[in-house]
Amino acid sequence: GAGVSQSPSNKVTEKGKDVELRCDPISGHTALYWYRQRLGQGLEFLIYFQGNSAPDKSGLPSDRFSAERTGESVSTLTIQRTQQEDSAVYLCASWGGYPSHEQYFGPGTRLTVT
Amino acid sequence: GENVEQHPSTLSVQEGDSAVIKCTYSDSASNYFPWYKQELGKGPQLIIDIRSNVGEKKDQRIAVTLNKTAKHFSLHITETQPEDSAVYFCAANSHSGGYQKVTFGTGTKLQVIP
Repeated sequence: GAGVSQSPSNKVTEKGKDVELRCDPISGHTALYWYRQRLGQGLEFLIYFQGNSAPDKSGLPSDRFSAERTGESVSTLTIQRTQQEDSAVYLCASWGGYPSHEQYFGPGTRLTVT
Repeated sequence: GENVEQHPSTLSVQEGDSAVIKCTYSDSASNYFPWYKQELGKGPQLIIDIRSNVGEKKDQRIAVTLNKTAKHFSLHITETQPEDSAVYFCAANSHSGGYQKVTFGTGTKLQVIP
C-alpha cells in the first residue's frame, strides 16, 4: 500500500513568512511523529500524536512551531515568522501500534529560509 | 529523558571489509533498538532491530548486538558493498501505556570505497 507522503517536497520562503508542511501517514496508523533534520545532523524530535490523546509537544523548539492532526489522518506542521535557523529537512513518520515497533518515514520536506 | 550517543560520525571502508557502528543509551527503560538507513534525499528506513530480551540478531550481512548491562548496542555490516553507502541511525525506544517514545543517535555516514 501507499507509504507516508509529505508535501511540498521543497519549500523556499523568505524570513518572517509563515509556512505549512503537510504529512499524510499510512492509513490506520494511530501514531504520527515530526522530526527536524538539519544538514548533516541527526533527527531532532519535535512532536508526537497518539490517537486522540493530547500530543507530546516537548520537542517543539519555540512557540513559533505548532502542529495539528485531525483524528488519525493528515497532520500539518506550521512554522510562523520563519528564521534562517529553521532551514532543515522536516520528516514525518507514522507507527501502526503494537506488536510492530517500526516507524515509517516520509521523504521529508526541505525548507530553506532566505 | 533518554540520551543516545553514536560513533563514529563518519566511516570509510573498502568494499568487502566490515563496518561497525556503536551506540550507547542512558535510560534503562528503553527496550527496543532499531537501526535505520537513510539514503540521500530519502527518509530513514528500518534495516534491523533488536529487543531488550535478545543479545544478538542477524539478517544476512547485517547483525546487531545488545549489551543491556553496559547500555550499548552495535551494528555490524560484513562484506560491505557500494550500495551500503548511506547514513545510519541508531535509536532507543521506550514504551508506556501504548505510547512509543523514540530517541535517535546523531548518525554515521558510511562510505564504501569500490
